[in-house]
Amino acid sequence: DSGVTQTPKHLITATGQRVTLRCSPRSGDLSVYWYQQSLDQGLQFLIQYYNGEERAKGNILERFSAQQFPDLHSELNLSSLELGDSALYFCASSVESRTDTQYFGPGTRLTVL
Amino acid sequence: DQQVKQNSPSLSVQEGRISILNCDYTNSMFDYFLWYKKYPAEGPTFLISISSIKDKNEDGRFTVFLNKSAKHLSLHIVPSQPGDSAVYFCAADTGKLIFGQGTTLQVKP
Repeated sequence: DSGVTQTPKHLITATGQRVTLRCSPRSGDLSVYWYQQSLDQGLQFLIQYYNGEERAKGNILERFSAQQFPDLHSELNLSSLELGDSALYFCASSVESRTDTQYFGPGTRLTVL
Repeated sequence: DQQVKQNSPSLSVQEGRISILNCDYTNSMFDYFLWYKKYPAEGPTFLISISSIKDKNEDGRFTVFLNKSAKHLSLHIVPSQPGDSAVYFCAADTGKLIFGQGTTLQVKP
């Protein structure tokens, strides 16, 4: 158990809908990262928050957004969902940033029908 | 454009033997690397890391080697155990993790 929790574990929705994925980091970790794992793209970095502020952005679509709250939990919002958004979404956390080990949650499997 | 590459999608070894997983990278500015193991339906689990100031780091049965001139790193598992069967990802840490595509290791009893 990494100490990072993600909810829900599975999510099935329809195209055009909006969903919210939730992540609680390990106790004491200030950085939260979101990654997407799809069959054809592997594990891809989406976005990082550090202590409530956006710190780095990867190939995150404009339809996707995230935020980190004062209690350090984070939410990833996916809107106008398309079939291609079906993937595993992982959250990771670390103490601060670079070279601090990132610990991953169990992931949320999103299926868009 | 794949900056971190794992060219072997799969590897099969006998229990007790050595497993060697390879990883190449393209950016010579990368200076910190990690290996993660992933079981189905779970998130990646950190295994071992190495900084570019070293060429080797060891933790129990796991050793990572870094060859900066070749932009190559490898993970050695000795001895391999059936419980090591999983997908192994190497990653470069630039503040975000840039992952390879993964290698599926199967350790046969």
